Amino acid sequence: GQQLNQSPQSMFIQEGEDVSMNCTSSSIFNTWLWYKQDPGEGPVLLIALYKAGELTSNGRLTAQFGITRKDSFLNISASIPSDVGIYFCAGSPGGNQFYFGTGTSLTVIP
Amino acid sequence: DGGITQSPKYLFRKEGQNVTLSCEQNLNHDAMYWYRQDPGQGLRLIYYSQIVNDFQKGDIAEGYSVSREKKESFPLTVTSAQKNPTAFYLCASRTSGGRPEQFFGPGTRLTVL
Repeated sequence: GQQLNQSPQSMFIQEGEDVSMNCTSSSIFNTWLWYKQDPGEGPVLLIALYKAGELTSNGRLTAQFGITRKDSFLNISASIPSDVGIYFCAGSPGGNQFYFGTGTSLTVIP
Repeated sequence: DGGITQSPKYLFRKEGQNVTLSCEQNLNHDAMYWYRQDPGQGLRLIYYSQIVNDFQKGDIAEGYSVSREKKESFPLTVTSAQKNPTAFYLCASRTSGGRPEQFFGPGTRLTVL
């Protein structure tokens, strides 16, 4: 199955800084989802996107569905220590299957 | 509360033994999934089911089996044929319609001794 390219692989930032990460695919998707996963836990859905160009926020998190429909972006503003975790994207061309990125590990330094 | 439960949280198995991982959801979702997660890799699909009594192999189905006798339940059996079963296993379900969302359970950590 297709695996999405997600970057950066890891980030170390100071508390209060903004964070940006992205996800790209080789094919067009109709749905992009962004998740956060804590160690040893299941992923938690943060944001869902369904339309090219769509911009959706969830608190300090903002995600965008790329206009080419082959990429998506996640931004976190004013990071705090509890933002620590692994963030990953998932995309679907339609139907039942989702494809996943390899994740971005975020470390926030107080 | 609505959600997905997986049990047990941690599971230890001796080589050569089959083991079954439980997944239950009360979200009334038709579609359910099993994924395997290994360090540094994205989630890999093992099996999925769109409806009761129907399921399809994913990318890494060899050595695994599933059943879907009830809408709420989608157990995964890791058989002795699976060569490298130690991993974190995640069950998920998906909403229907044109704006799908996929939700995950808390996961089961399987360790083969």
